[in-house]
Order: sequence, then structure tokens, then C-alpha cells
Amino acid sequence: EIVMTQSPATLSVSPGERATLSCRASQSVSRKLAWYQQKPGQAPRLLIYGASTRATGIPDRFSGTGSGTEFTLTISSLQSEDFAVYYCQQDYHWWTFGQGTKVEIK
Amino acid sequence: QVQLVQSGAEVKKPGSSVKVSCKTSGDTFSSTAISWVRQAPGQGLEWMGRIIPVLNMAKYAQKFQGRVTITADQATSTVCMEVRGLRSEDTAIFYCARDTGDSNGNYFEGFDYWGQGSLVTVSS
Repeated sequence: EIVMTQSPATLSVSPGERATLSCRASQSVSRKLAWYQQKPGQAPRLLIYGASTRATGIPDRFSGTGSGTEFTLTISSLQSEDFAVYYCQQDYHWWTFGQGTKVEIK
Repeated sequence: QVQLVQSGAEVKKPGSSVKVSCKTSGDTFSSTAISWVRQAPGQGLEWMGRIIPVLNMAKYAQKFQGRVTITADQATSTVCMEVRGLRSEDTAIFYCARDTGDSNGNYFEGFDYWGQGSLVTVSS
């Protein structure tokens, strides 16, 4: 099983600032990586697939980079609605998720 | 318009089984796959398995192989997941989610639509 490790567990950021979230795979997953956002009491929401392609309707302040084992999700200027938990997911060999990064208000 | 509507909350005894349903709309049933994802309280996401309804082909994560069965009913455009031998640690929200990948999971472009979640509580 491919293990996904996200860091940090919690990220404290002020509104308007940039947030950088990391995701590492236990082996290369090429660019087969997706990112999701989850708010309390809601289902996850797809943000990014293929490491860098934004899903339909996702604002361009969300961007994904990386390949192989190291990936980054950047939120360029945090809005109030962006405070949530973010998960990465590999789809190189079926699917496994990281444990999540909580982005909280500083 | 794509919608995934799941069945309601359940309370089950340890050792029993639960069946959770996910009714699809739009062209989901005929052209995509449906996965089930588990989320224990305060925890992360865990992929359990998937079915391509039009092929009636199911694939399970190794951890759940033999304890979980996913089925599809074309007449009602509904996908169901049954979990047997429930334990307290199975207490979780179960989500169904759609993807457009092929039978091997290739051409995956994310789980783009999700159900609202079904809470299953396992307690004696």
C-alpha cells in the first residue's frame, strides 16, 4: 500500500496570507495525486487532480505542484471560506489518502 | 445534474451487518464508477472499494476484502455497500463518491461528486 504523509498536521494562517501544504508519498506516484477540502459536517470537495489540474469551479488561488513523491498545495491568499481540512490522495495504485492538514485561523 | 443521495443513519450491534445505499442521478450509473470512503470520528479518509455499475465489477481495498460487498441495482440506479461483522471501530461516516476512471482505475480525475454521508454507529 502506498502511504501518504501530510505536513504539517495543523497550519495557522492569517486571512490574506499564503498557505503551503505538503504531501509525501512512500513511493513514486508520478503525477497521480489529488487534493480535497473538507469542512466540518460536509463531504470532501475535489480541488485538484493530476497534481496540478483544478477541478471545475475551483478558484485559481488554489494551485498544486509536484511529481514523484513530493507534492504541494498552495492557497495564494486565504479567504475565510478556505479554513478547513485538506487531504491528498494518490491514484497511482488504487487510492490512499493522507491523514489531512487542518488550516486554521491565526 | 449529478446527485448522490445516501441512506440515513444507523445504529448497529457488534457482530451485526449494515447496508448503506447511494442513489445516483444523471448519467452517473451508466458511465462512471462509485466508491465508498470511510471516515471515523475526527479521523481521515479511507477508501474501501468501488464498483462500475454498468460492468457490475467491484474492487476492494485489501483491508476490507471479504468483509465488505458492494453491489449495484440498475433498475433503481442505486449502489449499496454491506459491511459484515461490525466492530466498535467501524463507527464512522460512510461516503459514496463518483469517479470516471476505467476498470483499473486509470484515467482517474478525482472523486468529483460525493454523497452527503451516512453515519453508522456500532454500539452494544
